[in-house]
Amino acid sequence: DQQVKQNSPSLSVQEGRISILNCDYTNSMFDYFLWYKKYPAEGPTFLISISSIKDKNEDGRFTVFLNKSAKHLSLHIVPSQPGDSAVYFCAAGLGGGADGLTFGKGTHLIIQP
Amino acid sequence: DVKVTQSSRYLVKRTGEKVFLECVQDMDHENMFWYRQDPGLGLRLIYFSYDVKMKEKGDIPEGYSVSREKKERFSLILESASTNQTSMYLCASSLPGTGAYEQYFGPGTRLTVT
Repeated sequence: DQQVKQNSPSLSVQEGRISILNCDYTNSMFDYFLWYKKYPAEGPTFLISISSIKDKNEDGRFTVFLNKSAKHLSLHIVPSQPGDSAVYFCAAGLGGGADGLTFGKGTHLIIQP
Repeated sequence: DVKVTQSSRYLVKRTGEKVFLECVQDMDHENMFWYRQDPGLGLRLIYFSYDVKMKEKGDIPEGYSVSREKKERFSLILESASTNQTSMYLCASSLPGTGAYEQYFGPGTRLTVT
């Protein structure tokens, strides 16, 4: 059973507009959520995270929103830039993180000029 | 800057061969992880370790083993490679405590088993 779900395999957004990537989870024990960005032939790189005690975290053009009651989080990128084209993975962890993360299947974001 | 390196970027092995994938991190991280990434499946945790000589099974440990003899090095072993182990293998490390969630990944090893 997939505990972290990214239901959109791909998303196409025009340069300069807002990109919204969505993620749903089923395990209410998750207490930390992260977004990773991955370019082809490279390892994922950490982008932004949020603790379950918060509902929003912002870092420059990136904002993550968490809705615990809906078990849903989203990543907003404003404005979208060509370099944002990549695969984005949502991940969740619990118990301090030493037991690894549970990842979604990823969303391929394509920024069109 | 945290650096996680993996011994090979690309590897081609034959069915039945024993395969070693090596991972080294240079930031004195306690936690280390092995994932595999497959199209449409995301990243799946194979094994992890939170200390030297300690190892724990992840979600898909079958067909794999690991070794952690030194803090900075975590090896993934395919005892007898099979074609369904063709995949991208990613190593990661993290600090203990509150920093454990933020994992730093290596560039990956693309393994093909023929």
